[in-house]
Amino acid sequence: QKEVEQDPGPLSVPEGAIVSLNCTYSNSAFQYFMWYRQYSRKGPELLMYTYSSGNKEDGRFTAQVDKSSKYISLFIRDSQPSDSATYLCAMSFGNEKLTFGTGTRLTIIP
Amino acid sequence: DVKVTQSSRYLVKRTGEKVFLECVQDMDHENMFWYRQDPGLGLRLIYFSYDVKMKEKGDIPEGYSVSREKKERFSLILESASTNQTSMYLCASRGGLLETQYFGPGTRLLVL
Repeated sequence: QKEVEQDPGPLSVPEGAIVSLNCTYSNSAFQYFMWYRQYSRKGPELLMYTYSSGNKEDGRFTAQVDKSSKYISLFIRDSQPSDSATYLCAMSFGNEKLTFGTGTRLTIIP
Repeated sequence: DVKVTQSSRYLVKRTGEKVFLECVQDMDHENMFWYRQDPGLGLRLIYFSYDVKMKEKGDIPEGYSVSREKKERFSLILESASTNQTSMYLCASRGGLLETQYFGPGTRLLVL
């Protein structure tokens, strides 16, 4: 079993819809949780960063962490075609190494 | 903004060749990383470095080596390229307020 599981998709939704992306993990020691966005043929860029449980909002993006369920989510409101990308979850114990999910490919249909 | 650059966007090499991938960061970060990314497997850590001349094996170091002679530069070396090393290679550096990783644009390597 992988430490971090992420549905690879692909996920296609119409423009304006709310998108929900999720990861589950097995190691309860993870403390820091991140979402990266990766456009085709580009490197990942940090989108959201949260510590421990709770919600964090940034514009149209909301990250949720439920440590009791070992489950993290990224919500995108009012989705735009420019949101079409692969979304990677990542997490760490607080040291230098990150453990990544395999990524979910998202397409927003105009 | 953090800037991580990689020497090549695309490379084509022959089996058995020695391949050098260069990465440079401009934010004085101490920690740097090399990953490869493959469909269905995600990002896998090859090597990382805490400081100049320091290196640590990641999850898949076989067939690779690294060099960190200067703080801003971290090189990945494929001693004898093989076709199963065809992949997207991503460099990252770690630092800043969030102490998280910032990635370069990647190098797509094709080994024939």
